[in-house]
Amino acid sequence: SQQGEEDPQALSIQEGENATMNCSYKTSINNLQWYRQNSGRGLVHLILIRSNEREKHSGRLRVTLDTSKKSSSLLITASRAADTASYFCATGDKPDKLIFGTGTRLQVFP
Amino acid sequence: SQTIHQWPATLVQPVGSPLSLECTVEGTSNPNLYWYRQAAGRGLQLLFYSVGIGQISSEVPQNLSASRPQDRQFILSSKKLLLSDSGFYLCAWRQRKDSPLHFGNGTRLTVT
Repeated sequence: SQQGEEDPQALSIQEGENATMNCSYKTSINNLQWYRQNSGRGLVHLILIRSNEREKHSGRLRVTLDTSKKSSSLLITASRAADTASYFCATGDKPDKLIFGTGTRLQVFP
Repeated sequence: SQTIHQWPATLVQPVGSPLSLECTVEGTSNPNLYWYRQAAGRGLQLLFYSVGIGQISSEVPQNLSASRPQDRQFILSSKKLLLSDSGFYLCAWRQRKDSPLHFGNGTRLTVT
C-alpha cells in the first residue's frame, strides 16, 4: 500500500528558481522523512521532521508538516542543475516500517 | 563509519531461474534491514523488513522471500523468477525505528 503521494509527479524549473513538492499521507505518523534519488542510484536522506514540529530547515531545504491535513512540503530554494533528481517522502504506519511515496521528478535547467 | 554493500549491481536472469541478492552492513550492530523494489520511473515498494536475526516481516505476497542469517546480512531470494520480478532492488538499513534509512546502490534485475 502507498502511504505517501507526492505532487506534482514532475516539475521543471530554471536554475535560481524555487522548487516546491508536496506529500500527502494517510495515517498518523511519528515523523516524516524526505529523500533524494539520482537516476539509477540508491536514495539519500535529506531531512526528517517529527510530528510535533511544523517547520525545519537544512541549508537550501525547508520542510513543513501539517498533521491536521496529513501533508508535508519540501521547498528547495535557489535551485541548481545539480538538484535534478527524484524526491520522495516517507512515513510509516507501524514503528519499524517506512513506506515511500510515488516521488516527484525535478528537472532544473541551467 | 557505517557502510552498506549490495551486490550484484546488475543481473540478467531467465524466467524460472532462482535468485539470490545479498546485502551486508558494516560498522553497526542490530540494525533494522529493508528490501525495496522500484519499477522503472516509479516509487519504492517495501518488500521485507527485519528487526533482528531470523525476524522477517513480509509486506507483499509474491514469489520472493527474505532471510537474515546473521545480524548484518540480509538476503532476498526466489526459487523461480517471473517477468514481473524485473526491477531495481534496494537494500537499506537504519539503527532505530525513527532514524533515517541508509541505502545501498541497488541491483538492477532484468528477467528475460
